[in-house]
Amino acid sequence: DIQMTQSPSSLSASVGDTVTITCRASQGIDNYLAWYQQKPGKAPKSLIYAASYLESGVPSKFSGSRSGTDFILTISSLQPEDFATYFCQQYHSFPWTFGQGTGVEIK
Amino acid sequence: EVHLVESGGGFIQPGGSLGLSCVGSGFSFSDHEMNWVRQVPGKGLEWLSYISSTGNTQYYADSVKGRFTISRDNAKNSLYLQMSSLRAEDTATYYCATRTGGLVWGQGTTVTVSS
Repeated sequence: DIQMTQSPSSLSASVGDTVTITCRASQGIDNYLAWYQQKPGKAPKSLIYAASYLESGVPSKFSGSRSGTDFILTISSLQPEDFATYFCQQYHSFPWTFGQGTGVEIK
Repeated sequence: EVHLVESGGGFIQPGGSLGLSCVGSGFSFSDHEMNWVRQVPGKGLEWLSYISSTGNTQYYADSVKGRFTISRDNAKNSLYLQMSSLRAEDTATYYCATRTGGLVWGQGTTVTVSS
């Protein structure tokens, strides 16, 4: 199985900050990587797919990039509605696997 | 717009069986591969099962293989997950999901396995 190692597990940031979250795949997954945002009591919402493609309707403050087997989610100009948990997911091969999640909290 | 609604969750004793359903709307259900994913409260996400658009191909996570069965009825725009030999560790919110770009998820249905 492909292991997705996500870091950090949590972070504290202020409104207006830019933050980055990283997922490292245990083997090559090409660009088969998605990022999700989840708020308490809600289902995850897709932000980014194919490593760097923004889902329709998702603001451009969210961006994704890849370097080898490392994938980065960048959130710029944090706003109160961005404080949530973020997950990565590989869909290169079954079983699909998720990162452990990163909780973004208000400092 | 893709819309998915799960149902069938509830409270069940260990060793019991339960069936979940998911109805899709707003998209061509019969053209889409479907999945079940679960989330233990306060924990991460676990992919469980995949079914092809025709229903001819299924994949399962090792944790549920032999106990859970995925199926679909394209005439009813419906996806199913039949769960048997349930364990306490199967307690979770169960989501159906389909991939357009990333996954689009339903609102989830909660399964509690406890004596």
